[in-house]
Amino acid sequence: ETGVTQSPTHLIKTRGQQVTLRCSSQSGHNTVSWYQQALGQGPQFIFQYYREEENGRGNFPPRFSGLQFPNYSSELNVNALELDDSALYLCVSASGGKETQYFGPGTRLLVL
Amino acid sequence: QKEVEQNSGPLSVPEGAIASLNCTYSDRGSQSFFWYRQYSGKSPELIMSIYSNGDKEDGRFTAQLNKASQYVSLLIRDSQPSDSATYLCAPRVKRGNEKLTFGTGTRLTIIP
Repeated sequence: ETGVTQSPTHLIKTRGQQVTLRCSSQSGHNTVSWYQQALGQGPQFIFQYYREEENGRGNFPPRFSGLQFPNYSSELNVNALELDDSALYLCVSASGGKETQYFGPGTRLLVL
Repeated sequence: QKEVEQNSGPLSVPEGAIASLNCTYSDRGSQSFFWYRQYSGKSPELIMSIYSNGDKEDGRFTAQLNKASQYVSLLIRDSQPSDSATYLCAPRVKRGNEKLTFGTGTRLTIIP
């Protein structure tokens, strides 16, 4: 148990729809990152939030957006879903300056 | 050249033997190196971290780092069936954020 929770655990959407994924980070962790893991691939960095500000972004289009709240929980929003967005979405929390990062259990998204 | 390269496997090792997993990386600014274990359908779990050249041992696991060769490895001694999983190598460059760059992972199967 890492203390990081994500909801929902599974989700099925159709192409063109919008989705919001949620993450509650471990207590005291002010940094949250989101990763996308397609089947058979390693996780790919989407973006990171530090104290409610975006702190780096990977090679993902603008239809992937995020938020971090004052309690450091976070949301990942994906608009205009495409079939290739089907993946496991992982939330990772960390305490700024500390080395260890904690993965949540993930949300598995299927786009039909 | 991929940022992080791992043999995708599958790598099959008899129970009780040593499993050797290899990883090369391209960014010489990488400062921290992490090995994650991922069971099918689950999120990655941190099993080893290494920061300096040389070996680091933790129980049955040994991580080896050679920054000059841009190479990091993981040895698993006395392999157990429960070690069957995908192993992900993740170097980290600390430039503004703390994103992890993952390889595609090596699938390891321990044969009883």
